[in-house]
Amino acid sequence: AQSVTQPDIHITVSEGASLELRCNYSYGATPYLFWYVQSPGQGLQLLLKYFSGDTLVQGIKGFEAEFKRSQSSFNLRKPSVHWSDAAEYFCAVGSYSGGGADGLTFGKGTHLIIQP
Amino acid sequence: DAGVTQSPTHLIKTRGQQVTLRCSPKSGHDTVSWYQQALGQGPQFIFQYYEEEERQRGNFPDRFSGHQFPNYSSELNVNALLLGDSALYLCASSQGVGANVLTFGAGSRLTVL
Repeated sequence: AQSVTQPDIHITVSEGASLELRCNYSYGATPYLFWYVQSPGQGLQLLLKYFSGDTLVQGIKGFEAEFKRSQSSFNLRKPSVHWSDAAEYFCAVGSYSGGGADGLTFGKGTHLIIQP
Repeated sequence: DAGVTQSPTHLIKTRGQQVTLRCSPKSGHDTVSWYQQALGQGPQFIFQYYEEEERQRGNFPDRFSGHQFPNYSSELNVNALLLGDSALYLCASSQGVGANVLTFGAGSRLTVL
């Protein structure tokens, strides 16, 4: 069974500093990967996705992520965070079976706190 | 363009009762998935509906059931509610059953007392 691990439950970063959120997945074949962000009382908003091709993917709001097959990782980065980036971040992995895509498996999330 | 809409936004039930949650997918989407998000956890896949049939199911008991209507909207039903069913229930829509991006609604917050 596939799984996703987000090792950091909470991360505190100063505004303007760089950010890296870690994500490790377990899956036998080539997965497709997502990062979603959730603000309080809101649903999930897609930041970026990796299906195939270039392993460095760009997303919205200045975020990027790099797929590293050898490390089974898909870490999220941002060079300079803004106070509005404070939220919960979820990494998710998807797979194929039975002629279509399976439901996504999510990590437990990383809560990002921005210090002024 | 309306995204995914869910109703109700909040509701409170007691143990043993039944609940129905509703979801209207984003325009142009024909596939609906439901996820349960317990407090402090990531979403967990409940099931997916496509062409009015349950196409795939996660590790949830039969107390959880659903339906998809010809207009692609969907309902999630939970019978014999338990305290542990308290969670945010998220509906997500997509186009087809391939590896497509899901668009999520804001969720229905269920509290079971």
